[in-house]
Amino acid sequence: GQQLNQSPQSMFIQEGEDVSMNCTSSSIFNTWLWYKQDPGEGPVLLIALYKAGELTSNGRLTAQFGITRKDSFLNISASIPSDVGIYFCAGKPGGGADGLTFGKGTHLIIQP
Amino acid sequence: DTGVSQDPRHKITKRGQNVTFRCDPISEHNRLYWYRQTLGQGPEFLTYFQNEAQLEKSRLLSDRFSAERPKGSFSTLEIQRTEQGDSAMYLCASGRVVNEQYFGPGTRLTVT
Repeated sequence: GQQLNQSPQSMFIQEGEDVSMNCTSSSIFNTWLWYKQDPGEGPVLLIALYKAGELTSNGRLTAQFGITRKDSFLNISASIPSDVGIYFCAGKPGGGADGLTFGKGTHLIIQP
Repeated sequence: DTGVSQDPRHKITKRGQNVTFRCDPISEHNRLYWYRQTLGQGPEFLTYFQNEAQLEKSRLLSDRFSAERPKGSFSTLEIQRTEQGDSAMYLCASGRVVNEQYFGPGTRLTVT
């Protein structure tokens, strides 16, 4: 089945640093979504991408839909303590299937 | 817009018992999804409804699992004869646009 490889698995950074994480797939996706999940809560949608090459921002977050349609990137600029959490990429294949395939997440830890 | 709600938030049950979870989607969202998430993993798709019709089911949805959305609003997920391997967070999501899914806080199931 389809799998998403998300990296890095975890990141330890200083407050104020920029963060980059990515997601790659063995197959093509028509939509890429990025979510953030806090402990004991459901994932919160951050950014949705619909076209290959698309670059979309949401405040300090920027995400890109890769040209090959097999990857996506999320950048966070000037990290702050509330950015701590687990970030998931999710992809939606074409062909009418509506369920999302998720990566295993990137655990972001910010050191003061 | 009050968001997706799920009930209960936590459920502890003994192996072999049946459990039922409820999801109330964001009002006017006709699409409703169920996912399962285990520790250290991303959510895994279980099933999807458009209005009251169940349009997609994952192979993860064994015969012991059944989901309904009788009036096209709230949904229930029932697990019969629970097993220890069923212990997980069960997440519900809803959406109006085909490519966006908004998650609820989840129901954490522990099977002893």
